[in-house]
Amino acid sequence: KQEVTQIPAALSVPEGENLVLNCSFTDSAIYNLQWFRQDPGKGLTSLLLIQSSQREQTSGRLNASLDKSSGRSTLYIAASQPGDSATYLCAVRPNLEGSARQLTFGSGTQLTVLP
Amino acid sequence: EAQVTQNPRYLITVTGKKLTVTCSQNMNHEYMSWYRQDPGLGLRQIYYSMNVEVTDKGDVPEGYKVSRKEKRNFPLILESPSPNQTSLYFCASSLAGRTYEQYFGPGTRLTVT
Repeated sequence: KQEVTQIPAALSVPEGENLVLNCSFTDSAIYNLQWFRQDPGKGLTSLLLIQSSQREQTSGRLNASLDKSSGRSTLYIAASQPGDSATYLCAVRPNLEGSARQLTFGSGTQLTVLP
Repeated sequence: EAQVTQNPRYLITVTGKKLTVTCSQNMNHEYMSWYRQDPGLGLRQIYYSMNVEVTDKGDVPEGYKVSRKEKRNFPLILESPSPNQTSLYFCASSLAGRTYEQYFGPGTRLTVT
């Protein structure tokens, strides 16, 4: 059964720092990997989606990498801002057909960016 | 505005009292899903639905029921809630072939005493 782990569980950094969030998964047979942001009282917002054939995806100050063979992904946030404070979740989708392709989530990293 | 709505947003109830959490989307999405989120465990899928009258179990379906009589609605039913169902619940929806573009509701915080 797929297991997704995110370390650290919480991270606090001063504004302006570059930072890396880690995600690891036990079964490398994935279809894609997705990073989400969760704000208190709100639902999840998708940040980046990496297909299994891709190595990285970029959106603004965010860059996500994927090393499928080692079961790892990182989310790099450049020049962090207080508005980046949120919980970041990693999720993988198995390489199975149709309705079996359901997400498995990690427990998240709670990020606080201090002004 | 495209959105997924959940009601209620907060609920405190007692063991054994049946309750329903509603989920509605206005995007004509085929796929809908329920998740629960607990500290240290991430989001775990309870049930999902690929279309009207088509539902299937996720990872943690015990103690829950769902129905999909209309495309826009996907209610989550707890027939006899127990304290271990205290959690934060999320509903999500997407087009059938684009589950990577799930839209999430704002969450329902349920406490069962």
